[in-house]
Amino acid sequence: DIQMTQSPSSLSASVGDRVTITCRASQSISSYLNWYQQKPGKAPKLLIYAASSLQSGVPSRFSGSGSGTDFTLTISSLQPEDSATYFCQQSYSTLTFGPGTKVDIK
Amino acid sequence: EVQLVDSGGGLVQPGGSLRLSCSASGFTFSSYWMSWVRQAPGKGLEWVANIKQDGSEKYYVDSVKGRFTISRDNAKNSLYLHMNSLRAEDTAVYYCARDLEVAAAGTNFDSWGQGTLVTVSS
Repeated sequence: DIQMTQSPSSLSASVGDRVTITCRASQSISSYLNWYQQKPGKAPKLLIYAASSLQSGVPSRFSGSGSGTDFTLTISSLQPEDSATYFCQQSYSTLTFGPGTKVDIK
Repeated sequence: EVQLVDSGGGLVQPGGSLRLSCSASGFTFSSYWMSWVRQAPGKGLEWVANIKQDGSEKYYVDSVKGRFTISRDNAKNSLYLHMNSLRAEDTAVYYCARDLEVAAAGTNFDSWGQGTLVTVSS
């Protein structure tokens, strides 16, 4: 199976900050990479699919980039409601998720 | 509006069985692959199984093969997960999710149920 890693595992940033989360695959997955946001006690929500396509209804401050093995999720201006855990997920082979990055607001 | 409602979770003893259900509405259920994804307490997400639109293809994560069976009833707009020989490590919130295939970019989960908690303990 393809292993997914994320860094950092957690971060704390201020409202308005630019935040970047990295996801790395153990082998090339082309653009078969999605990002989800999960708030405590809630189901995950799709943010970005196909590495860089914004899901309908998701604020434009979220963006994704990358291909092959290295990917990033960027929040251009962090908002209080963005406090959550973010997961990447690959669908190149047996579906697997990254371990998550917890984002807190300072 | 797409809606998925998960049910059937509960407390079960090791070695026991349970059937989870997911009721779908707001979209043409028979047109989509569907999945179950689970999340152990305080842990990350793990895809468990998925099933093709007509039920003719089913896939499972290795850890549940031979113990769990995914099925669907398109007439009832419902997805199921039959879980046998349950273990403590199967304790998790189980979510049903709609699979969306994107050309040349694989599968994402664009809609999720609210989850149902399965606790395996004596």
